Amino acid sequence: SQTIHQWPATLVQPVGSPLSLECTVEGTSNPNLYWYRQAAGRGLQLLFYSVGIGQISSEVPQNLSASRPQDRQFILSSKKLLLSDSGFYLCAWSVQGIEGYTFGSGTRLTVV
Amino acid sequence: QKEVEQNSGPLSVPEGAIASLNCTYSDRGSQSFFWYRQYSGKSPELIMSIYSNGDKEDGRFTAQLNKASQYVSLLIRDSQPSDSATYLCAVNAGSGNTGKLIFGQGTTLQVKP
Repeated sequence: SQTIHQWPATLVQPVGSPLSLECTVEGTSNPNLYWYRQAAGRGLQLLFYSVGIGQISSEVPQNLSASRPQDRQFILSSKKLLLSDSGFYLCAWSVQGIEGYTFGSGTRLTVV
Repeated sequence: QKEVEQNSGPLSVPEGAIASLNCTYSDRGSQSFFWYRQYSGKSPELIMSIYSNGDKEDGRFTAQLNKASQYVSLLIRDSQPSDSATYLCAVNAGSGNTGKLIFGQGTTLQVKP
């Protein structure tokens, strides 16, 4: 069966520090991968998606970047965090979105 | 701008009642529709998917789709306190094989014992 791993679960980082969040999927090949952010009391905002290795599409201009160095690995990064980067970051995978997403357990990021 | 709209609630129902959650979407090209349940502090969990007009039942859950009205709903029969959560409606962005989903803001459901 397929599983998705996301870490760390919580993170407190100072303003201006770098960020790296990692997501890996097991039990499937060539999944579509997604990064979403959910600000407190807000809906899910799509940040990046990838349909293959090295293929990254950005949905909103921001202080973040994403990479997919391996088929089942998706990384979210920032060189310098802003207070507005705080939120609940969710990684998800799908088979071309036909059957909907499966989300990872999420990372709660607080920038102080 | 493609949008998905939900009433944020909270929707409060007594235990054993039917909870009705509604969602409208703007993109007429959308073909796939999903309902997710999100408990406080947790990640969303897929509970229903629907692709064609009409009703789809799964246990206590029924999803209803009306593409002409651009309307999706979720009915929860015999509501239980454990159903208390935020319910997110999601609609595919209708662009190739990217599988992008647009989510509504979510409706908070409270089931009172």
